[in-house]
Amino acid sequence: DTAVSQTPKYLVTQMGNDKSIKCEQNLGHDTMYWYKQDSKKFLKIMFSYNNKELIINETVPNRFSPKSPDKAHLNLHINSLELGDSAVYFCASSLYLALVSELVRSQGNEQFFGPGTRLTVL
Amino acid sequence: AQSVTQPDIHITVSEGASLELRCNYSYGATPYLFWYVQSPGQGLQLLLKYFSGDTLVQGIKGFEAEFKRSQSSFNLRKPSVHWSDAAEYFCAVGTGANNLFFGTGTRLTVIP
Repeated sequence: DTAVSQTPKYLVTQMGNDKSIKCEQNLGHDTMYWYKQDSKKFLKIMFSYNNKELIINETVPNRFSPKSPDKAHLNLHINSLELGDSAVYFCASSLYLALVSELVRSQGNEQFFGPGTRLTVL
Repeated sequence: AQSVTQPDIHITVSEGASLELRCNYSYGATPYLFWYVQSPGQGLQLLLKYFSGDTLVQGIKGFEAEFKRSQSSFNLRKPSVHWSDAAEYFCAVGTGANNLFFGTGTRLTVIP
């Protein structure tokens, strides 16, 4: 069974459209994340949700809105898509909220990543 | 600015042979260093991580990596590769700003 799953795997759409990417984890984790990986492979955190509360929002445009109906799901909705939104979006989860600086120190709080969603905006 | 370089885009090794995947980083402070593996259709899985202490770190699946500050490197090694190790491997640098900067990845092919 896949621990963290995302749909769709590929998404091609026109500028100006609104789209959603879904993420589900079956690990019983309390925290979920969305990362954006650009063409240079830089993976940058966008959001994290802990028990349905938004914890981090790293200067992401408000066209991006995370929606968490329950702690097993964190969907990403994007309004008015722009060319620069083209990237691979990774969902992840961990047992509890972990900053990067804590990931190396903590045991048992590893982040599990989904397979990614490649978004192409034309 | 931070960056991660994986100079080998694709490596092919025979099963049972040793493996070394190269990773060089550029970061002004002490980096948090990670190696992840991604099998086809799967998510990123953490192999090992380093922040301080012993510069040789052991990870899962028999992998190890050595941090060399003087060379700004964090190369991944495995003494004997198995066919199931075929995947794409990403080196990453973590910063205090809670960002993970990944390298472009090295695709590993294992031949019988």
